[in-house]
Amino acid sequence: AQKVTQAQTEISVVEKEDVTLDCVYETRDTTYYLFWYKQPPSGELVFLIRRNSFDEQNEISGRYSWNFQKSTSSFNFTITASQVVDSAVYFCALSEAGRGAQKLVFGQGTRLTINP
Amino acid sequence: GAGVSQSPSNKVTEKGKDVELRCDPISGHTALYWYRQRLGQGLEFLIYFQGNSAPDKSGLPSDRFSAERTGESVSTLTIQRTQQEDSAVYLCASRGGHYTQYFGPGTRLTVL
Repeated sequence: AQKVTQAQTEISVVEKEDVTLDCVYETRDTTYYLFWYKQPPSGELVFLIRRNSFDEQNEISGRYSWNFQKSTSSFNFTITASQVVDSAVYFCALSEAGRGAQKLVFGQGTRLTINP
Repeated sequence: GAGVSQSPSNKVTEKGKDVELRCDPISGHTALYWYRQRLGQGLEFLIYFQGNSAPDKSGLPSDRFSAERTGESVSTLTIQRTQQEDSAVYLCASRGGHYTQYFGPGTRLTVL
């Protein structure tokens, strides 16, 4: 069975601090996809990134970066120089690859609060 | 282009009533998903549609829940004889040829 664990329920930092959100996953599939979504107070899930299991290159997009390590089954998300607009609930998710349903298995989410 | 839309945005109903929630996927997306998000929780998969194939209903929590989809367009999630534990946000997502699901704004259901 697939499982995603986000151990940090809530994180609160002061604006401009760097913050890392942890994500650990479990799967028996050799090929899979990992995702991060942002859920701002409005409630809509916003797609941030998708990562293939065979691509362990770290990715940077502006102030956002992702560290994928298969050896520790982790896919951590770092926000550099955080801003108040980054305040949201962040979800890590996992799906099978291939022709199946590719349903997403979500972690419980991390509520990030950036204080001015 | 337009994203996934859902209606209504909010629904308040009395215990025992039936409710219908609607999802309009992104045009051209063949796959459609329903998820449920209880307060303070992650999302739980409910049902998946892909083209004309039989839907994957493995996530539906009880036989009070059902869903339909007409071709590759609109989907309706129906909850019969609603219970208070059905109170949640119901989110719809659609996916095209890639592996990324794009979500709608959700329907917040409150069962009194």
